[in-house]
Amino acid sequence: DVKVTQSSRYLVKRTGEKVFLECVQDMDHENMFWYRQDPGLGLRLIYFSYDVKMKEKGDIPEGYSVSREKKERFSLILESASTNQTSMYLCASRTGTRETQYFGPGTRLLVL
Amino acid sequence: EDQVTQSPEALRLQEGESSSLNCSYTVSGLRGLFWYRQDPGKGPEFLFTLYSAGEEKEKERLKATLTKKESFLHITAPKPEDSATYLCAVQAANYGQNFVFGPGTRLSVLP
Repeated sequence: DVKVTQSSRYLVKRTGEKVFLECVQDMDHENMFWYRQDPGLGLRLIYFSYDVKMKEKGDIPEGYSVSREKKERFSLILESASTNQTSMYLCASRTGTRETQYFGPGTRLLVL
Repeated sequence: EDQVTQSPEALRLQEGESSSLNCSYTVSGLRGLFWYRQDPGKGPEFLFTLYSAGEEKEKERLKATLTKKESFLHITAPKPEDSATYLCAVQAANYGQNFVFGPGTRLSVLP
């Protein structure tokens, strides 16, 4: 079974803090994704990566950056957390073009 | 503009009362349509992939179908444990590796 893990289930941070969210997949998938999910807005793509050290902006990249130094690990960085970044963050990975995305359990981030 | 919509937004059923959820899409060059189940506070769990019109997939009480413009998720004799939000997503030729997700249907099955 594909397994996607995220470093934290819940996080509470202060405004202005630098926040790291980590995602690890164990199936050698080329593609990895970061989404945020908010009530009424659904899943929105922040960034994705199709290979090590490669990244592409999604629909809402402002205020975020990413890092992919190893194939299995994809990190989302909030350079200076703000209250409007309070959300559920979901990581996903997939292999070939016609395959599904597999999601991690999510990280619920609260920025105070 | 490419988009994915789902209806109804929310659905309440009695246990055993069969129904269908709808996912409508307007994209060019559909590569795949995906159904997920999401429980509160958890990540989406993959259910089905459909690739072409006329295709059907089944799993326990769930059956997914696909036409050229929409997909249905049929739930037969649902149980309370089927309560969840059901998401659909499409991948199209001009999206590359990305998916476009619908807003979801929140299903409640009452005992």
